[in-house]
Amino acid sequence: QKEVEQDPGPLSVPEGAIVSLNCTYSNSAFQYFMWYRQYSRKGPELLMYTYSSGNKEDGRFTAQVDKSSKYISLFIRDSQPSDSATYLCAMKGGSSASKIIFGSGTRLSIRP
Amino acid sequence: GAVVSQHPSRVICKSGTSVKIECRSLDFQATTMFWYRQFPKQSLMLMATSNEGSKATYEQGVEKDKFLINHASLTLSTLTVTSAHPEDSSFYICSARGAGLGGGAGETQYFGPGTRLLVL
Repeated sequence: QKEVEQDPGPLSVPEGAIVSLNCTYSNSAFQYFMWYRQYSRKGPELLMYTYSSGNKEDGRFTAQVDKSSKYISLFIRDSQPSDSATYLCAMKGGSSASKIIFGSGTRLSIRP
Repeated sequence: GAVVSQHPSRVICKSGTSVKIECRSLDFQATTMFWYRQFPKQSLMLMATSNEGSKATYEQGVEKDKFLINHASLTLSTLTVTSAHPEDSSFYICSARGAGLGGGAGETQYFGPGTRLLVL
């Protein structure tokens, strides 16, 4: 079993829809949870990071962490064609020496 | 803030030559830098972790004599692919984690734009 599981998609939704992206994980030591967006042939861009459980909102993006279920989500409201990209969840333990573990990424396409 | 640059953005070289890729943190001090490789439609594969002033730690299966990493300062790390072969063709991405970013963000990593290497 992988430490982090993420559905690779592709996921295609119409413009304006709410998008829900999810990851599950098995390591209860993870404390930091991140979402990265990666456009084709570009490096990943940090979108959201959360420490421990809870919600965090930034504009159209909301990140949720449920440590009891080992489940994290990223919601995108009022999705735009420019949101079309691959979204990678990532997480790491509390010590500075721990490595970030990435999900495999979900390819998202927003149809105009 | 938290900008990481990479140079070159793409490089084409002949088999057997060496290629150097630079990674710079532009507005923060990167105490740790990471080098990843990414094949098409796949996730990031960590190659090595380097801390400023010390030897890099390589992941299992990554040849340290082939992928030379130097992290000579808090803002610069280099990856040299020695005697490159076609199978080394890939997208190489560096990332950095550092001090002074505040709010726990020092635990996160910021990525460069990547370098596409094509070995003929």
